[in-house]
Amino acid sequence: GAVVSQHPSWVICKSGTSVKIECRSLDFQATTMFWYRQFPKQSLMLMATSNEGSKATYEQGVEKDKFLINHASLTLSTLTVTSAHPEDSSFYICSASGAASGGYTDTQYFGPGTRLTVL
Amino acid sequence: GIQVEQSPPDLILQEGANSTLRCNFSDSVNNLQWFHQNPWGQLINLFYIPSGTKQNGRLSATTVATERYSLLYISSSQTTDSGVYFCAVRAGGYQKVTFGTGTKLQVIP
Repeated sequence: GAVVSQHPSWVICKSGTSVKIECRSLDFQATTMFWYRQFPKQSLMLMATSNEGSKATYEQGVEKDKFLINHASLTLSTLTVTSAHPEDSSFYICSASGAASGGYTDTQYFGPGTRLTVL
Repeated sequence: GIQVEQSPPDLILQEGANSTLRCNFSDSVNNLQWFHQNPWGQLINLFYIPSGTKQNGRLSATTVATERYSLLYISSSQTTDSGVYFCAVRAGGYQKVTFGTGTKLQVIP
């Protein structure tokens, strides 16, 4: 139990285009989802927290107009990188927390990540 | 905000050796997890341990909340244990999770 999928696993796009990344909790309802960004050899930096049906809460320094987050259901959250530029290239990871079988409700379960390269 | 420091930053072990990884945090927490990030980037839950001690096979963890630290023990290390180990905490009534600086472990045959 407690499986989180992320799609796509990698994407290469041209500068100026938009990219959508999906995060799904496959076998539990995720009341809260988190989006992280990780640069090479660094720790995970939280970008935003989203609760189902509510607007996302963005961390300081994260542009909400550039990184659009939608959490429309208890099993799906999306991150759209709008007008992507090379500096947006990174590893994006989502996590979900909720009443997963056998776990605590605030335990985070992570997706496999999406490697974004903007040319 | 809360600061989370891990030590050591890098560790090289001979296969079969034991190790202790440390996570220090600057404020009271109500949630602490240990993760292993494998070379492909996948984060794997190891422990949910805001306090006390837990064991799972060759791994065990102890959190002393009053002294603001947690320890992850790896015994009889294997090459598959290689990767980066993170602790992550949640403080107060906030949902925000703060990750530690990480410990990069390399187990050599």
